[in-house]
Formats: sequence, C-alpha cells, structure tokens
Amino acid sequence: EVQLVESGGTLVKPGGSLRLSCEASGFTFSEYAMNWVRQAPGKGLEWVASISDSSNYIFYADSVKGRFTISRDNAKNSLYLHLNSLRADDTAVYYCARVYFLFDSYYYYYMDVWGKGTTVTVSS
Amino acid sequence: EIVLTQSPGTLSLSPGERATLSCRASQSVRSNYINWYQQKPGQAPRLLIYGSAKRATGIPDRFSGSGSGTDFTLTISWLEPEDLAVYYCQQYEKSPFTFGQGTKLEIK
Repeated sequence: EVQLVESGGTLVKPGGSLRLSCEASGFTFSEYAMNWVRQAPGKGLEWVASISDSSNYIFYADSVKGRFTISRDNAKNSLYLHLNSLRADDTAVYYCARVYFLFDSYYYYYMDVWGKGTTVTVSS
Repeated sequence: EIVLTQSPGTLSLSPGERATLSCRASQSVRSNYINWYQQKPGQAPRLLIYGSAKRATGIPDRFSGSGSGTDFTLTISWLEPEDLAVYYCQQYEKSPFTFGQGTKLEIK
C-alpha cells in the first residue's frame, strides 16, 4: 500500500525549532518529488515547500523562506522539514504529499498521495 | 505570485443538484497545471482533477473540470451527501505553487 506517515509535530515556544519527518512506503521514494503543505486551524491549504527527486530543485513559500529547510534521505525513504524561528502563525497541521509527474503530450504535476498530517503548535 | 480566487466561498445545495465551483487566476495559467482537491471534514486532501479536466483514479464521473487561461471550473453534476467537503484549486505553473482559499460545499 502506498503510504506517507508524518511525525514530529508538537508544542513549541515562539522562536523555537522542530524537525518534521515523513516516512514513505509502498513506492520507490527516490523517483518522486515531494511537497510539504500546511493548514492552520480553520483555514485553507498553504503550499510550504517542494523538493525534487534528487534534491536538485528546492522551492519555498515566501512565508517560510529563510526559516524552514526541506530535505530528504532517499536511502531512508524519508522527507524532512526543519522549522526554525517559529512563530504563532506557523501553527498548523503539516502534510507531506507525493508529487506525481506525468508527460502525455503535456506536462502534468499533481499531489496524488497525502499523509494524515502532524500538528505543530507554536505557543508560549 | 499567482493568486487563485475561488467562488463562491460557501455553496449550499441539495442532493441531486448540480454544483459549479469557480477558480480564477490572477494571471494566465496553462490548463495542464491546474488541479482540484477535495478535503472532507477531519481528513487529508484528496486529488480529484488534474490538468484542469482529467479525473484522478477512482473519482466518479459526476466530477468534471474545465477551463483555460484565468478561469477554471469544477462541476459536480449530481450531488451526493458524501460530497460535503471543501474544494481547493491549485496551480503548478510556477512557484509558489499556490492554492485557492477553498469553496465549502454544504449539502442540505
């Protein structure tokens, strides 16, 4: 079964740091780009960061650039998000999602597999 | 940054009715880079439509997508009670890969 399982979410004080993990199973992790997407309480989805299959291409939302770092370890089938200088507005459920790339006359990119999420709460 | 604006914010319809959800982009987006996701209460999002009009695996044909340029539409032709959810459009044209703010679909 194709699966993504996030972990590492917890309560942290403003200014603190945290590392989220996402463990992949049921597919060849090293062949896929991956995303982190978050959702603040009662709010919509916000794309956070992307990393290509071999880590050559990395993108961040402006809201986290310079504070968050996405990385992966293909040998461990794992995706990570390092969160630094945390603020109250970083409080959210953080999802990891697989990016499926398809070429069929046109290029298609979409998030076809999602984890259940891990909750980060930033509060004093 | 490409801003996606979804309308309406909330849609309240009865089973059997047709739902039309709109997603408008702040600049032109190639149609193959527009995706739609469904998020039911307490669940992770699920891919519904990719490339603006292609149904994802296992999605019933009641769901369809269309559009081009800056205007895209998700249509649910025959509402079922289980369609209660928030629906998001998302673009993959350029980073940041933004989502719309969502349309909440209520079933009467």
